[in-house]
This record gives sequence, C-alpha cells and structure tokens, in this order.
Amino acid sequence: DAGITQSPRHKVTETGTPVTLRCHQTENHRYMYWYRQDPGHGLRLIHYSYGVKDTDKGEVSDGYSVSRSKTEDFLLTLESATSSQTSVYFCAISDMGTHTQPQHFGDGTRLSIL
Amino acid sequence: AQSVSQHNHHVILSEAASLELGCNYSYGGTVNLFWYVQYPGQHLQLLLKYFSGDPLVKGIKGFEAEFIKSKFSFNLRKPSVQWSDTAEYFCAVMPQKDSSYKLIFGSGTRLLVRP
Repeated sequence: DAGITQSPRHKVTETGTPVTLRCHQTENHRYMYWYRQDPGHGLRLIHYSYGVKDTDKGEVSDGYSVSRSKTEDFLLTLESATSSQTSVYFCAISDMGTHTQPQHFGDGTRLSIL
Repeated sequence: AQSVSQHNHHVILSEAASLELGCNYSYGGTVNLFWYVQYPGQHLQLLLKYFSGDPLVKGIKGFEAEFIKSKFSFNLRKPSVQWSDTAEYFCAVMPQKDSSYKLIFGSGTRLLVRP
C-alpha cells in the first residue's frame, strides 16, 4: 500500500468550530487530493494540489480551504464547520506526468459535526 | 457536465453467482477508466484500469471489465463471486485532457454476497 497517513482518523466537533485534517505521504508524489464520501454520492473532489503551494478547487469546495507547504503534507481546513460537512474524508495521491497513474487512497477520516 | 452513472445501488448475490455491475459515463472526449473496491471500514483499492488497447481488461481477484466505447460503458464482471467480495464498488473516469488528473466517481454499488 502507498504510504499515506490521514489524521485524525475520527473526530467529533461542534458546529462553528474550525477543523483541520492532515494528509501525509511518504511517496514524494506531486498530486494530492481531498475527497468527501457520502451515501448516494460516491466520492466528490473538494480540492487538489499539483505541487507545493499549488492548489485548485474541486466540485464541492465551498466551506473548505487547503494548504500545501511541503510535498508530503496536504491540509484540509473547515473554517467554520457545519453539520452538512459531516462525512468521511479521503486523501489520495498520484504520481505526476501522465494520465495512466491511478490514485492511491488513505484510510479516511470520519468527521462528525454536531 | 461530466458524470458517471452506476445503475445498481445495491446488489445481493449468493456465492458462486455471476456478477455484472454497470457503469456509464458522460464525456465527449477520451477517458481513462477505473474500478475501485472499498471493503467495509477500509480505503478504496484499485481493482482494474483501462487506458487503451484491448477493451477487455483483467484486474485483481478474478475481476474483469469491458470498455464499450459506442455505449460509453465500462461494466465490471466476475464469473463466480465469493463471500469475501462483499464490498462497495466504484466506477471512475479520468478525462485524458484534464491536467488535474482528477477522478470523477459514480455513486457506488454495494454488493452483498450471501454464503
């Protein structure tokens, strides 16, 4: 399995609080992604990064921000958590250069916002 | 807009039955195609992928998929399922001209295999 570590694995917090999820990789892959997984929706892309300090929005980016100050770390922040952001969050990584590289996924973070 | 449709949300089979899960995508250009599996409580794992060439691709654990370009389909098959195949299966596409290399996922199919 690819070296991807997500932290925390589980978190319960209250509406209105800021939350930061971390994705750490040891593969030196250029591309990193944050998805959320919800029943009936599959996985939807929140944000992605194509290099240090290079990020872009996905299809469900409202209410989320990201940062990538080092190749190995990609942070997802919920500025002010809402109950609609209760979900399972997956980080994925991909090697650069071609469209033939599959993405590898982390173990996920289960986030509950009360 | 690009989209991926998985027609069956829940499938229940007995062991040794044959499996076919449907996947259709909506995109006018060339795509790469993937099937991922998620076992209960685990992360997504790649089952198989199609980029070009033979439209019948074989993956791990006896799974295969056939790309039919005229139908925009990439159905997953297995001749004889096992209890251990109980999982959720996701079809995904990656437009080849998309420089973000992002995946567009279907909503998933939950497979329950009864012993």
